[in-house]
Amino acid sequence: DAGVTQSPTHLIKTRGQQVTLRCSPKSGHDTVSWYQQALGQGPQFIFQYYEEEERQRGNFPDRFSGHQYPNYSSELNVNALLLGDSALYLCASSRDEGTYLNTEAFFGQGTRLTVV
Amino acid sequence: RKEVEQDPGPFNVPEGATVAFNCTYSNSASQSFFWYRQDCRKEPKLLMSVYSSGNEDGRFTAQLNRASQYISLLIRDSKLSDSATYLCVVWRSYKLIFGSGTRLLVRP
Repeated sequence: DAGVTQSPTHLIKTRGQQVTLRCSPKSGHDTVSWYQQALGQGPQFIFQYYEEEERQRGNFPDRFSGHQYPNYSSELNVNALLLGDSALYLCASSRDEGTYLNTEAFFGQGTRLTVV
Repeated sequence: RKEVEQDPGPFNVPEGATVAFNCTYSNSASQSFFWYRQDCRKEPKLLMSVYSSGNEDGRFTAQLNRASQYISLLIRDSKLSDSATYLCVVWRSYKLIFGSGTRLLVRP
């Protein structure tokens, strides 16, 4: 059973460019969340997708957008990249059980984005 | 002020030592509580959930005090392989909210 897979693993982009990161959730999971982890910090919640809709969003600008496909895979898009967007981007998948209570989230290995 | 606060460490301890990590959270609406472990340049992995009654998993014991909004993790008989960053995490409104992590170094 494959866990959460993310691609690419590493990426270097120039300031002002756009980037798309991809995530395939663990088998049986229907919910995907994205997190940004800067060096020396804990991961910060960007947004969560469920049933192809953005269900919750953290304090990130509109330059950060996402999408979820019918097969539950997801993309994170970042426009007009800034140097400060350099970070490890983590995808986490979980299974929605119809309540607000948490079910265990499994993380992918992350995409390390460097903006130069 | 961050919603989840942790001592960043590092905690540098010898093998076999007992080490305790503490964490406080500021939002009383937080619903669930966890400790995650993160190895260098890897993804976070769930170490254990934390309950008010306290829970133990081998050498690891976690405790939650809702009244004080305080979470703790105790590691007994430290191993070299315990060296990692330990992240205190709360769940609220569909999202995990992480502390900045406490770094543990276990030396021979």
